Amino acid sequence: DIVMTQSPDSLAVSLGERATINCKSSQSILYSSNNKDSLTWYQQKPGQPPKLLIHWASTRASGVPDRFSGSGSGTDFTLTISSLQAEDVAVYYCQQYYSIPLTFGGGTKVEIK
Amino acid sequence: QVQLQQSGPGLVKPSQTLSLTCAISGDSVSNNNAAWNWIRQSPSRGLEWLGRTYYRSKWYSDYAVSVQSRITINPDTSKNQFSLQLNSLTPEDTAVYYCAGGWAFDIWGQGTTVTVSS
Repeated sequence: DIVMTQSPDSLAVSLGERATINCKSSQSILYSSNNKDSLTWYQQKPGQPPKLLIHWASTRASGVPDRFSGSGSGTDFTLTISSLQAEDVAVYYCQQYYSIPLTFGGGTKVEIK
Repeated sequence: QVQLQQSGPGLVKPSQTLSLTCAISGDSVSNNNAAWNWIRQSPSRGLEWLGRTYYRSKWYSDYAVSVQSRITINPDTSKNQFSLQLNSLTPEDTAVYYCAGGWAFDIWGQGTTVTVSS
């Protein structure tokens, strides 16, 4: 199984400041057919299902604000919120869809400082 | 706009079978480009993918090894939905269960809180 490791477990950021979340996969998740990494980022608020933010490591899903960006390649990936807003308080998860079983990171809780 | 609507019981006794259904609107369960998944979430196990079904000229299913001996995911083309059956339940199966569509899970059902208790 591919293990997804996120860091930190939680972080507190001031409104308008940058938040950075890291995700490391235990092996390459590069899909050779399109040369893209099979990584997604989700946002989950209490009582709601996760919401897709980013797929193929850096492609924003429809309707996702451009303050959210994904980067990285190989085994190291990053989700950046460029200017934290109050509505961004949530838990964020990375997930690989390169091979089964599909696996998630443990989550990073983002709060307002 | 694709939507998924889950239905099924919230309380199941140990050793019994959990049956959940996910009704699809705005897409077809037989879509050759889609995949239909079941995922659960609990404090102890986090987000755990359980399995999926998809159609590529015929039906395929993939399952997580952790539940492979106890799980069945079936499509129902007549009702445009898919289902989860999980047998031999224990309290460790207590979780919020979600259905989700896509290879990256771009559409989610609302979630069903399932408690395994006598």
